[in-house]
Amino acid sequence: EAGVAQSPRYKIIEKRQSVAFWCNPISGHATLYWYQQILGQGPKLLIQFQNNGVVDDSQLPKDRFSAERLKGVDSTLKIQPAKLEDSAVYLCASRLGQGIDTQYFGPGTRLTVL
Amino acid sequence: KQEVTQIPAALSVPEGENLVLNCSFTDSAIYNLQWFRQDPGKGLTSLLLIQSSQREQTSGRLNASLDKSSGRSTLYIAASQPGDSATYLCAVGSSNTGKLIFGQGTTLQVKP
Repeated sequence: EAGVAQSPRYKIIEKRQSVAFWCNPISGHATLYWYQQILGQGPKLLIQFQNNGVVDDSQLPKDRFSAERLKGVDSTLKIQPAKLEDSAVYLCASRLGQGIDTQYFGPGTRLTVL
Repeated sequence: KQEVTQIPAALSVPEGENLVLNCSFTDSAIYNLQWFRQDPGKGLTSLLLIQSSQREQTSGRLNASLDKSSGRSTLYIAASQPGDSATYLCAVGSSNTGKLIFGQGTTLQVKP
């Protein structure tokens, strides 16, 4: 069974530029999560999708971050414009569905904002 | 607001030693608690999941305990090996939506 795929693996941009990350969850997984992990900290949930609907985006900085999940499968996370403090690893995870608790994580995208 | 804390932030032990990693949380009304492993440059791998009604879970050399009343969980690693070197993260689930609140992790180094 293929795992959660993310691309790109690394991205370096200058502040005020825009960037987009892509995630392909495990086939059949209804729930998809985007986390932000700043160096030395644990992951922080940015947004959670159930199929193509948003369940929780309470910690998403909506003035600069946006996310969508096309047709309830792939997802993209965008930052526009980026700030220095957005430098982090962005992790995507998926879960089969409600009541099935294990989340499976992708390798992450490491973003550096200069 | 749930807060999760892990102590120590880093730990270095000789191979073969038994060790305990600690996790504490402020709100005892949890749905479950999970321990993850993170290797450099890689995503997280789930090690153990303890439901709120359970007291412990075991997998091989790993044993995780949960004490909701005191807001604590421990991860016990028996007979540590250099391959156990990684960052270990504790995460609390507050509902069946799967939302997790993570601690900052403990980075473990096992020396040969």
